[in-house]
Amino acid sequence: EAGVVQSPRYKIIEKKQPVAFWCNPISGHNTLYWYLQNLGQGPELLIRYENEEAVDDSQLPKDRFSAERLKGVDSTLKIQPAELGDSAVYLCASSFGSGGTDTQYFGPGTRLTVL
Amino acid sequence: AQSVTQLDSQVPVFEEAPVELRCNYSSSVSVYLFWYVQYPNQGLQLLLKYLSGSTLVESINGFEAEFNKSQTSFHLRKPSVHISDTAEYFCAVSENTGGFKTIFGAGTRLFVKA
Repeated sequence: EAGVVQSPRYKIIEKKQPVAFWCNPISGHNTLYWYLQNLGQGPELLIRYENEEAVDDSQLPKDRFSAERLKGVDSTLKIQPAELGDSAVYLCASSFGSGGTDTQYFGPGTRLTVL
Repeated sequence: AQSVTQLDSQVPVFEEAPVELRCNYSSSVSVYLFWYVQYPNQGLQLLLKYLSGSTLVESINGFEAEFNKSQTSFHLRKPSVHISDTAEYFCAVSENTGGFKTIFGAGTRLFVKA
């Protein structure tokens, strides 16, 4: 069974440029998460989807970040425009359910460097 | 507000020695507790979790963690570590705040030396 797939693995851009990250969750997993991980820190939730509905986007900086999960399968996270402080690893995870007991399965992440 | 504190950012230890990675949390409601591990160049993966029942939970590779409600802790232990245990370990807590949210600690880097 394939795990969570993310692309690209690495991205280097100039500040003020747009950037997009793609995630394909494990087949059959209804819940999808986007996390931000800064160096030396744990993952911090940006947005959580249950199927195609964003049920928790309270930590998503909506002035520059957007996300979508059309058809409730794969998802895209976008930053426009990127700032220097956005340099981090962006993690995607998925789980079968949305309850607190569910194990989350993580992708390898996308390392973003903003110059 | 919920928080997760991993008291050690780095833990160096010699092979075959015991190790304890500490995790404390703050919450006013019932929680579920997790340890995730991230091996070099890999994504996070579940090591073990406490949902209910016995407060001592074990992983398949010899780690164990004990839920201590009075001390709000969920420390991870292994009696004898291997070189292959070198990784970053994240403690995570999930609580129902009108919908479950998982909070991760900052991580503890375990470095096993020969």
